[in-house]
Amino acid sequence: AQSVTQPDARVTVSEGASLQLRCKYSYFGTPYLFWYVQYPRQGLQLLLKYYPGDPVVQGVNGFEAEFSKSNSSFHLRKASVHWSDWAVYFCAVSLNYAQGLTFGLGTRVSVFP
Amino acid sequence: GPKVLQIPSHQIIDMGQMVTLNCDPVSNHLYFYWYKQILGQQMEFLVNFYNGKVMEKSKLFKDQFSVERPDGSYFTLKIQPTALEDSAVYFCASSSGNTGQLYFGEGSKLTVL
Repeated sequence: AQSVTQPDARVTVSEGASLQLRCKYSYFGTPYLFWYVQYPRQGLQLLLKYYPGDPVVQGVNGFEAEFSKSNSSFHLRKASVHWSDWAVYFCAVSLNYAQGLTFGLGTRVSVFP
Repeated sequence: GPKVLQIPSHQIIDMGQMVTLNCDPVSNHLYFYWYKQILGQQMEFLVNFYNGKVMEKSKLFKDQFSVERPDGSYFTLKIQPTALEDSAVYFCASSSGNTGQLYFGEGSKLTVL
């Protein structure tokens, strides 16, 4: 069965600094991969998605992610973090379009001035 | 963008009572999902629903749970009877089935006393 591992439960970063959130997946084949963000007391919002193709995917709010088949990874990056990026970030994998998503445990990002 | 609406946003009930959580999915979407999130933990898949039937359910989807979407109205999750461990935020999601992307509602927080 597919699985998603986010090894960092919490990340603290200074405003303006760069951010990388790690995601490793386990899946037989080429998956669809997603990063979702959950702001305090809100539902999940899609940041970006990967379908087989260009390994670097651009998302909203300056986020991007890079797919690596050899490393089974889909790390999320942002060059300069803003205080509004304070949220929980979930990596997810889709077996296929019908079966929904398998989520990682999430990484809680705290941004300080 | 497309919106998934959930009603109620918060419900408090006594253990053993019945509760129905309502979801108004994105129009023209064909696949519907319920996820459960206990405070501070990951999103966990409960069930998906297509063409009037449950397609797949997880072990979290106990016998006390049921879903339906009568005549294209709300997609509902019913829990009868409720138990203390059912306290969580329940997220509804929908998908067109073409891209793997899910659209999430803002969640219904259920508190079972």
